[in-house]
Amino acid sequence: QLQLQESGPGLVKPSETLSLTCTVSGGSISGHYWTWIRLPAGKGLEWIGYFYSIDTYKYNPSFKSRVAMSVDTSRNQFSLTLSSVTAADTAVYYCARGDNGYGIWGQGRLVTVSS
Amino acid sequence: DIVMTQSPDSLAVSLGERATINCKSSQSVLYSSNNNNYLAWYQHKPGQPPKLLIYWASTRESGVPDRFSGSGSGTDFTLTISSLQAEDVALYYCQQYYRTPLTFGGGTKVEIK
Repeated sequence: QLQLQESGPGLVKPSETLSLTCTVSGGSISGHYWTWIRLPAGKGLEWIGYFYSIDTYKYNPSFKSRVAMSVDTSRNQFSLTLSSVTAADTAVYYCARGDNGYGIWGQGRLVTVSS
Repeated sequence: DIVMTQSPDSLAVSLGERATINCKSSQSVLYSSNNNNYLAWYQHKPGQPPKLLIYWASTRESGVPDRFSGSGSGTDFTLTISSLQAEDVALYYCQQYYRTPLTFGGGTKVEIK
C-alpha cells in the first residue's frame, strides 16, 4: 500500500528557506503527479506545484520564483523548497500523488514561520 | 487561473437528511475530446489529510459510501450526501484539475442540525 510521509523543520525564521521532503513507500515514484499542497490556518487548500518526470515541473505562479521542487529517485523522495518565507507561509504542508484528483496524501507537516 | 466558488459556506442538516453543496468554476472544466469534467470533491476532517470522494465530477473513489454522489458538467457541479451521518461532519472542497495552477474552492462546512 502506497504511503507518503512529509518531514522537515517545523519552525522557520522569516526571510529564510522552508525545506520539506516527502518519502514515498510501498511503490515507485515514477509516473503520476507528485504534488505539494498547503493549508494555511483559517484558509483553504492551495496547490503549490507538482512534478511528473525528472524534467516536467509545474509551479503555481502565485509563488513567483520562490518555489522549487526536486526528486531523488534512488531514495524514493521528492522535496519542496520555498524561499524568503513570511508569516503568510505558515501552513500545514501536504505531499500527495495526483492521478484523477489526489487520492493519496501524506499526513501533513505543520510549518510555522516565526522568529 | 480558474476560480472555484463554493456555496454555501456552511450548512447544518439533520441526521438522515440530504446535504447539497454547489461548486461553480469560472471556466468550463469539460475537456471536449474525452467528454470528462476535470473536477474532484474532497472531505477534510481536522488533523487528517483531505480524502478524495469523487473524481471526473461523478465517479466515486473506491471505498466511498454510495450516499456521496457528484453531478454537473461544464461550470456547475454539485456534491450530494443523500442521508447525512454523524461521521460526515467535515469541510468539503471541490477542485479543478483541468488546467494549472490547479485550484480549490473555498470549502463548505457541514454540521449536524
